[in-house]
Amino acid sequence: DQQVKQNSPSLSVQEGRISILNCDYTNSMFDYFLWYKKYPAEGPTFLISISSIKDKNEDGRFTVFLNKSAKHLSLHIVPSQPGDSAVYFCAAGGNQGGKLIFGQGTELSVKP
Amino acid sequence: EPEVTQTPSHQVTQMGQEVILRCVPISNHLYFYWYRQILGQKVEFLVSFYNNEISEKSEIFDDQFSVERPDGSNFTLKIRSTKLEDSAMYFCASSARDLNQPQHFGDGTRLSIL
Repeated sequence: DQQVKQNSPSLSVQEGRISILNCDYTNSMFDYFLWYKKYPAEGPTFLISISSIKDKNEDGRFTVFLNKSAKHLSLHIVPSQPGDSAVYFCAAGGNQGGKLIFGQGTELSVKP
Repeated sequence: EPEVTQTPSHQVTQMGQEVILRCVPISNHLYFYWYRQILGQKVEFLVSFYNNEISEKSEIFDDQFSVERPDGSNFTLKIRSTKLEDSAMYFCASSARDLNQPQHFGDGTRLSIL
């Protein structure tokens, strides 16, 4: 199932700089997108979401951008902190009831 | 902050045995889900549940699987006759609505089939 793809398995960023995580999707019927953060031995923790009627949503250091024409979303973390080091999943849903389709995840490492 | 809780954290079972994974969703949530993640693979949807019945299920969720809300707080996933390929992390999630609402996940049950 390749409907949601995160092409970068890992990303390394210096503390204080911007982290940009990317996600692409193929199903144009998706209308709700989410980012989750996951630490080892824990479940995914909801970070931020965006509806397809918007192109940007911001919550503190986290901003999600949605480009519907390109079927692309990104998560910006500014400034990045060592505690942000985790695996980040994008997920999409909306056209299939509550079912979420997840990407493969990107492991972010923020170095002090 | 309210959270989804799952028990046990780790379950080891012999192939062919039945296993029940338990979840307590967030108390005012109405929609419940099970997902699984096989090691090294994506998180995959298994089933959604609302108003005491299955709303949707994936092709993974065959006759060996069942879900139940036996009382007002618990939500369970039963695998009737486990196979080696059922070994995975199983995550329970809940949401206030089915559409355009974030799902909140528990910390998962690691199921190991021997």
